[in-house]
Amino acid sequence: QKEVEQNSGPLSVPEGAIASLNCTYSDRGSQSFFWYRQYSGKSPELIMFIYSNGDKEDGRFTAQLNKASQYVSLLIRDSQPSDSATYLCAVKPARGGGNKLTFGTGTQLKVEL
Amino acid sequence: DAGVIQSPRHEVTEMGQEVTLRCKPISGHNSLFWYRQTMMRGLELLIYFNNNVPIDDSGMPEDRFSAKMPNASFSTLKIQPSEPRDSAVYFCASSFIAGAYTGELFFGEGSRLTVL
Repeated sequence: QKEVEQNSGPLSVPEGAIASLNCTYSDRGSQSFFWYRQYSGKSPELIMFIYSNGDKEDGRFTAQLNKASQYVSLLIRDSQPSDSATYLCAVKPARGGGNKLTFGTGTQLKVEL
Repeated sequence: DAGVIQSPRHEVTEMGQEVTLRCKPISGHNSLFWYRQTMMRGLELLIYFNNNVPIDDSGMPEDRFSAKMPNASFSTLKIQPSEPRDSAVYFCASSFIAGAYTGELFFGEGSRLTVL
């Protein structure tokens, strides 16, 4: 089982719709969870992080965390063509695991006009 | 402020040659990470340094790979000898980490390596 799993996609949504991106992780003791966006040919950039169970909202983005189910998701409301990118889920390990982040392979999102 | 600076941006070399990738982290950051990205395996952590000291190199594929951080403003990743399977984009990232606070990773633009 991979440490961080994501559906590779592509996930296609029409402009203005809600895009839902999902991620599961294997280490039950993981502390922190991050969503990075990577445009084609570019480097990853942080969108959001979440530490506690529940929802965290930032503009059009909402991160959701369910530690019992070992599941984290990212919702993008009012999707725009500029949101078309690969979204990487990253997990910080349990205490004592250092400060490294383990990344999923990413989900490609396509927002269509 | 300048971001993380990597060089070269592109490198094409032949199997068996030595490759050196360079990274200048963001000033003031105390942690530096080397990642490798391929289509099949995604972003994989190779090694990370905290205050110039290697903390975890468990991701380094084999002895052909080595990394150094002689000071807070410079790091190198060396592959010797290179092999075609080393072809990938190599990212350097830096962060400020203090206690339980884990700052975001700031990535450089990457070095695309092609080994023929």
